[in-house]
Amino acid sequence: AQSVAQPEDQVNVAEGNPLTVKCTYSVSGNPYLFWYVQYPNRGLQFLLKYITGDNLVKGSYGFEAEFNKSQTSFHLKKPSALVSDSALYFCAVRDFTGGGNKLTFGTGTQLKVEL
Amino acid sequence: DTEVTQTPKHLVMGMTNKKSLKCEQHMGHRAMYWYKQKAKKPPELMFVYSYEKLSINESVPSRFSPECPNSSLLNLHLHALQPEDSALYLCASSQDKASVETQYFGPGTRLLVL
Repeated sequence: AQSVAQPEDQVNVAEGNPLTVKCTYSVSGNPYLFWYVQYPNRGLQFLLKYITGDNLVKGSYGFEAEFNKSQTSFHLKKPSALVSDSALYFCAVRDFTGGGNKLTFGTGTQLKVEL
Repeated sequence: DTEVTQTPKHLVMGMTNKKSLKCEQHMGHRAMYWYKQKAKKPPELMFVYSYEKLSINESVPSRFSPECPNSSLLNLHLHALQPEDSALYLCASSQDKASVETQYFGPGTRLLVL
């Protein structure tokens, strides 16, 4: 089965500093990877995805992610964090197990950006 | 516009009640999804509809009954739920169920079963 892992339950960063939220994947075949963000009591908002092509993917709100095939990683990054970026971040992968087609999510990383 | 709407925002129901959750999108998407999410946990897929036909049922108990009356609307009928069914129920849609298509999520319905 396809899976993603988010090794950090929480990441703390100071406002203005760069942030990284880590994600590693385990897939058979080509990985189709996604990042979503969830603010308290809200649904998930799509940030970006990697399907093919450039390893550096740019997304919404200044976020980007780097696909690294050798390290099987798809880390989310932002050059300068904002307090408003504080939220729960999910990495996800398309899962074709059993002939289905669904998103399998990581366990989530709580990002806290402090002044 | 990538908006998926869900009603109601909050729902409290007893274990003997029957209620329904509603999801709507007007993006012309032909795949729609129901997810269940517990606090601080990732969403778990429940059902997938593709072109108004049930495509995936992730072994969900029969007290949850999905319905897709048309390409824009997705319902989730609830009956005889248990307190452990209390969760945030998220609806999503995508262009179709192909692998590269992005799923767009609604704000969710927060359900409390007493």
